[in-house]
Parts: sequence; C-alpha cells; structure tokens
Amino acid sequence: GESVGLHLPTLSVQEGDNSIINCAYSNSASDYFIWYKQESGKGPQFIIDIRSNMDKRQGQRVTVLLNKTVKHLSLQIAATQPGDSAVYFCAENIGGNNRLAFGKGNQVVVIP
Amino acid sequence: ETGVTQSPTHLIKTRGQQVTLRCSSQSGHNTVSWYQQALGQGPQFIFQYYREEENGRGNFPPRFSGLQFPNYSSELNVNALELDDSALYLCASSSEIMGQAWGYTFGSGTRLTVV
Repeated sequence: GESVGLHLPTLSVQEGDNSIINCAYSNSASDYFIWYKQESGKGPQFIIDIRSNMDKRQGQRVTVLLNKTVKHLSLQIAATQPGDSAVYFCAENIGGNNRLAFGKGNQVVVIP
Repeated sequence: ETGVTQSPTHLIKTRGQQVTLRCSSQSGHNTVSWYQQALGQGPQFIFQYYREEENGRGNFPPRFSGLQFPNYSSELNVNALELDDSALYLCASSSEIMGQAWGYTFGSGTRLTVV
C-alpha cells in the first residue's frame, strides 16, 4: 500500500525498548490534544488524548506528557512491539472549536 | 457499536468532474468533520458539520461543499476536480458536549485520484 510516511522524521527502535515521540504545537489557546497512529492505507487511529488542564495521562503502554510552557507534547510507548510500526501524528484542538490541526508526523520503525 | 465508515474506498476521476464521498458517523456521535490528507502530509481540516449545518471551515475553496443528514451521516462534494485534489479524504465523527469534542474517531478514508 501507499506509505503515509514519505520524507518524515523516522525513529528506529528495537523491539522491547521504549519509544518517545515529540511534537511542538503552535497555538497557546489549544485546549485538547490527541495522538494518532496511522498505518499505511488506513485512517488515523486514536491512541490517547489529554486536555490542557492536565500535564500527564496514561493509557495501556502509552503515556502522553503536555508541557504548556514550551508548547510541547510527547508520546511514550513502553515495550515497543512490531505492531507499533506506523506514522504517529499529534493533533491540537485550536481554541475549542473542535477542529484539529495536525503536526507533520513521525515514522516509527520497530526492529525485531 | 459501529465505527466510522466511508465509501467508496478508492475512486478515480477525470479533471473537471465532480465527486461525492460518503461517511457514516460512529453510533452516538453528532458531529462530522472532513479532512484532506495529501501523500506524506498530515490531515488538513476541510469543514465540520453539526446539527446539519456547517460549523467551521478550513482554507478550502467553495467547490468543496458538504451535507449532514438527520442520522448524522455526511457527504463531501467536490466540483471541478483538479489534479491537486488527489488525496486521501478522511471523515471523523465526534460528540460535541457542552462545547467540547469527545471521541474524535476517523474512518479509513477514500483515496481519490484525479487524472
């Protein structure tokens, strides 16, 4: 299938290691942030979200950290698995109008 | 519970033609948003529909239009297709509760190729 990860920053990680993907957002008025995973030929799949009144949220094997001071978001994936290979996008909800602005995406390649 | 479904999955059109893409929202969701994703890029917001009316629009020309139906499903129409319209068109549904969006869920998209 077609790749969604052309010319994207790529993180290569050994299976079982932890992965950290970073994202800088642009709008200080953004109040809601979502991380999505996108595999080739598929739509973005929701991973985890966080609202601006929080600085950390944990899910199953994933943690999102939000630093509003420097407008930075990160996604940590614990014990990375081959099925985690995909392009990861952060998205911000700008100003509460429920439209998402997406970052450029990061390709994660898991090495078995 | 059903997810967001889009049809068709793939489509090839000729420059100048018109196209209609369809989206069924996830059960319980009342808001539908459409995005365009060019190859190697992140999705770009086209517009959003809530209560059958357009509720916000991105930087897309008027030849991109849409509809939302009483069952919350939606259509995206593009007139006078141009080669640059070739992209993956994504539909996302969500619930708007007290002004906040919840459960922003995407479908698998329609791959449109304009030749």
